Amino acid sequence: QVQLVESGGGVVQPGTSLRLSCVGSGFTFSSYTLHWVRQAPGKGLEWVAVISHDGSTEYYSDSVKGRFTLSRDDSKSTMYLQMNSLRAEDTAVYYCASPPRVVALWGQGTQVTVSS
Amino acid sequence: EIVLTQSPGTLSLSPGERATLSCRASETVSAIYMAWYQHKPGQAPRLLIYGASSRATGIPDRFSGSGSGTDFTLTISRLEPEDFAVYYCQRYRFSRWTFGQGTKVEIK
Repeated sequence: QVQLVESGGGVVQPGTSLRLSCVGSGFTFSSYTLHWVRQAPGKGLEWVAVISHDGSTEYYSDSVKGRFTLSRDDSKSTMYLQMNSLRAEDTAVYYCASPPRVVALWGQGTQVTVSS
Repeated sequence: EIVLTQSPGTLSLSPGERATLSCRASETVSAIYMAWYQHKPGQAPRLLIYGASSRATGIPDRFSGSGSGTDFTLTISRLEPEDFAVYYCQRYRFSRWTFGQGTKVEIK
């Protein structure tokens, strides 16, 4: 089954860290550029970051630049989002996703709540 | 930075009616980089249209996309009960994705 599955979300305090994972299956993971997109409560979709298929290039939104870091381990078909210095405004459902083509892969999302 | 503005914010229609959703970009966008998604609560966003007018795999032909330059449109020819959801336009490049704020299509 072709899918992306996120994990690692939870409830954390402001200023702390969390690492999200996105595991792919049913396709050649190493061929795919992958993105993170989030949706805060009551808000729309917000792009977060992207990592190239070979892990050589990353881009981040201004809202997370310097705090979040992407990496990938193609031997495990897994992409990671290391989130540091978390803020209340980072509270959201985080999705990993592939670019829109004939088929676009999106995970079901993982909830991150930053609260004291 | 490009801004996508969707209108209307909410569209109240009955099953069987035609829905026309608009997405306006703050600057000219290449049509090959425009997409539309459907999003329902608790579910992953579902790609409907890519390249402004190409339907993604498995998308019914009642969904169609059009447009160029700064103005893009998603049309649902006859609304089915499962079509009531929030719709987002997206401009995608390798280095950044930009989403509109969404249009909610609700049952009248």
